[in-house]
This record gives sequence, structure tokens and C-alpha cells, in this order.
Amino acid sequence: DAKTTQPPSMDCAEGRAANLPCNHSTISGNEYVYWYRQIHSQGPQYIIHGLKNNETNEMASLIITEDRKSSTLILPHATLRDTAVYYCIVRVPYSSASKIIFGSGTRLSIRP
Amino acid sequence: AAGVIQSPRHLIKEKRETATLKCYPIPRHDTVYWYQQGPGQDPQFLISFYEKMQSDKGSIPDRFSAQQFSDYHSELNMSSLELGDSALYFCASSSSWTDTQYFGPGTRLTVL
Repeated sequence: DAKTTQPPSMDCAEGRAANLPCNHSTISGNEYVYWYRQIHSQGPQYIIHGLKNNETNEMASLIITEDRKSSTLILPHATLRDTAVYYCIVRVPYSSASKIIFGSGTRLSIRP
Repeated sequence: AAGVIQSPRHLIKEKRETATLKCYPIPRHDTVYWYQQGPGQDPQFLISFYEKMQSDKGSIPDRFSAQQFSDYHSELNMSSLELGDSALYFCASSSSWTDTQYFGPGTRLTVL
């Protein structure tokens, strides 16, 4: 069963911030939110993850609501190379069943 | 930085043949995961190994087997290949410290 809900597609103008939402209303206390992306037929690429605090790295920012039922991935200055399918995943790290269950993801298109 | 290596990158087989896919994890990573991605589908978890022991199992057909060796590389063996086995096969690795999975470039298997 899908643990996350994402819009199937979005588009964004190059140079603007891309904000990708994700709902995970049934998230449990020990589950983290992870974001991966897959550029056409390449291996999924790790972007960022967090538990309850907002996180930022060189690729993106992750904003998690206080109740942890939803989050937003922010690509601050989208480029054409950011065109990909973005997956929001909840999982428990450091567990014997820490596999990634991919949902349908959001297909992000960056327009020039 | 070193990444996950998969070989071969492309493989063409006939029905009922066997295939062996190899995965070399990032140095010092002790966990390996295998995923299958059919055409137009999202990646699906097959099996994982931690310290050479199977740690989790997904929807892996009985015709498939896998193992992790003492140098931590892993092999996915596929027998009695069927047309439906045509897919991208991704390997990911992680370490006990971070548990973030990093994916390889994949092996594209085509069964004719």
C-alpha cells in the first residue's frame, strides 16, 4: 500500500524554485521522509531526508510540517537537468526491512 | 567519489536462458539491495543482503537467486528467463552508519 501521495506531474520555469509536495498522513514516529529522483532510465539518485526538522543540502531543501503529515521538497533554482521523476518515500532506517518502496512519484518538467 | 558499479550494463538473452548480474557496492558499504524496473513502471524491491546474509525479500521469482560475497559484491542469478523479465535491474548499497541507499546505473536486460 502506498504510504505517500504525490501529484503525478508538475512543471516549473527554469531558474525558478520548484516546490514538490508530498502527503504522508499515516507516517509513524520512527519513519523518516526521503526524497529520490530518477532521470530517464538512470539509477535513482538520493536527494535528501529528514525526520521532523527542516533540512538543507547542496541539492535541495526539505520542509516537513509540524504534524509530519506532509512535506515539500524545494529545488531553489531549477535547471533543465532537474527534469526527472521525484519520489517521496517514508521508511524506517537502520531496520531489517529498510527497503525502499517506490510510489508513482511526480514527473517534474522544467521549461526553458 | 566512488559509486555503485553494475555489470554488465546491457545484456541480451533468449527465453529459457540464464543470466548473472553483478553489483559492486561503494567501498565500506555492507548492505546491498536489488530492484527491478519494468518498462513504464516504478522500481520494485527484490532482495537485500546485510553482511552476506539475506536481510529482506520482496517479490522475487523463485527462478531468481542472489548472494553477497565476502568482498561484499553481490550477484543476481536469473534462470529460465521469460519475456517479462526484460527490465532495468538496479543495485543499491548502504552502510550501517548512514543507511542511505545509493543506486548504481543499472543493467538493462532484454529477453528475446
